[in-house]
Amino acid sequence: QLQLQESGTGLVKPSQTLSLTCAVSGDSISSPGYSWNWIRQPPGKGLEWVGNIFHSGSASYNPSLKSRVTMSVDKSKNQFSLKLTSVAAADTAVYFCARANSFLSVYAFDLWGQGTMVTVSS
Amino acid sequence: QSVLTQPPSVSGAPGQRVIISCTGSSSNIGAGYGVHWYRQLPGTAPKLLIYDNGVRPSGIPDRLSGSKSGASASLAITGLQAEDEADYYCQSYDSSLGGSVFGGGTKVTVL
Repeated sequence: QLQLQESGTGLVKPSQTLSLTCAVSGDSISSPGYSWNWIRQPPGKGLEWVGNIFHSGSASYNPSLKSRVTMSVDKSKNQFSLKLTSVAAADTAVYFCARANSFLSVYAFDLWGQGTMVTVSS
Repeated sequence: QSVLTQPPSVSGAPGQRVIISCTGSSSNIGAGYGVHWYRQLPGTAPKLLIYDNGVRPSGIPDRLSGSKSGASASLAITGLQAEDEADYYCQSYDSSLGGSVFGGGTKVTVL
């Protein structure tokens, strides 16, 4: 069964770098037609798209975060990653990884990880 | 301030019909990009309910339906049930931002 599972540091100090990984199981991250996304949700608030990456390594980021975000793909481990630099309290959120499936709709997220809480605090 | 605008809350009695609106602009919904709807229960990940304005993925009941007109879209839930109590989000693509955008979310309460 296809699943996504986030992992990473749950507590990050202000000004440091947040690092998360999303492991893909049940299918290859290199399968055509998919983009791999990060979406975050601050406590009690709505969803915000962070960015996406294709198995080729081509990535797009939310303009509001672009200067601080880097996404990467590791095909050998069948996973993709997120790095967010210079974090502040406003980056505290549940971070979800999600798949957009172009066989369904290019920009609809049909598969989600369970989410991982990241808190920025000293 | 979300790019797509949703009412913060809607409510209805069991069996009734509720409609959630989602208003965008000429760079997203109005530009022809599809609208997708998600349901989120507390402490869980969102689940795709409707994609491309009105298509239901396998397993989603036909009590849920979506439509789009101009720069706005809506999600209708008929035969409201207790299990429908959740947060609902619309989502589309915005050409000005070059990525996906979400509505602020609507909490559905079953009275």
